[in-house]
Amino acid sequence: DSGVTQTPKHLITATGQRVTLRCSPRSGDLSVYWYQQSLDQGLQFLIQYYNGEERAKGNILERFSAQQFPDLHSELNLSSLELGDSALYFCASSVDGIRDEQYFGPGTRLTVT
Amino acid sequence: AQSVAQPEDQVNVAEGNPLTVKCTYSVSGNPYLFWYVQYPNRGLQFLLKYITGDNLVKGSYGFEAEFNKSQTSFHLKKPSALVSDSALYFCAVSQYSGYALNFGKGTSLLVTP
Repeated sequence: DSGVTQTPKHLITATGQRVTLRCSPRSGDLSVYWYQQSLDQGLQFLIQYYNGEERAKGNILERFSAQQFPDLHSELNLSSLELGDSALYFCASSVDGIRDEQYFGPGTRLTVT
Repeated sequence: AQSVAQPEDQVNVAEGNPLTVKCTYSVSGNPYLFWYVQYPNRGLQFLLKYITGDNLVKGSYGFEAEFNKSQTSFHLKKPSALVSDSALYFCAVSQYSGYALNFGKGTSLLVTP
């Protein structure tokens, strides 16, 4: 158990809908990262937050947004969902920044029908 | 730009034999290098990292990796493979001037009894 929790574990929704994925980092970790894993794209970095502020942005679509709250939990919002958004979404946390190892949550499997 | 390559989709090894999973990287500055392992239906787990210092890095579960700056490589090794080592292995790279962590496409390791 990494100490990172993600909810829900599975999510099935229809095209055009909006969903919110939630992540709670390990106790004491200030950075939260979001990743998308799919068979064709592999593991793609989406976005990083550090202590409530956006620190780095990767291949995140404009339809996607995220935030980190004062209690350090984070949410990833996916809107206008398309079939191609079906993937495993991971949250990870680390103590500080990019030199620190990241601890991954179990993931949320999103299926868009 | 930074990138990482894992040239082998799959590596097959007999139990008890040494294993090597290859990784090469490309960054404009000094790299931060990581290895992660993913078991089926699980999040990624940190194995080891190179930030600076000794080129030979020792990590979890008996794994080690050698940083080779001239060959821009960071191969993962283990002297004696176990069946339980069978999993998907990811190499990742970042650098100080950027904060994103770029993952390779992963190498599937199969250790047979």
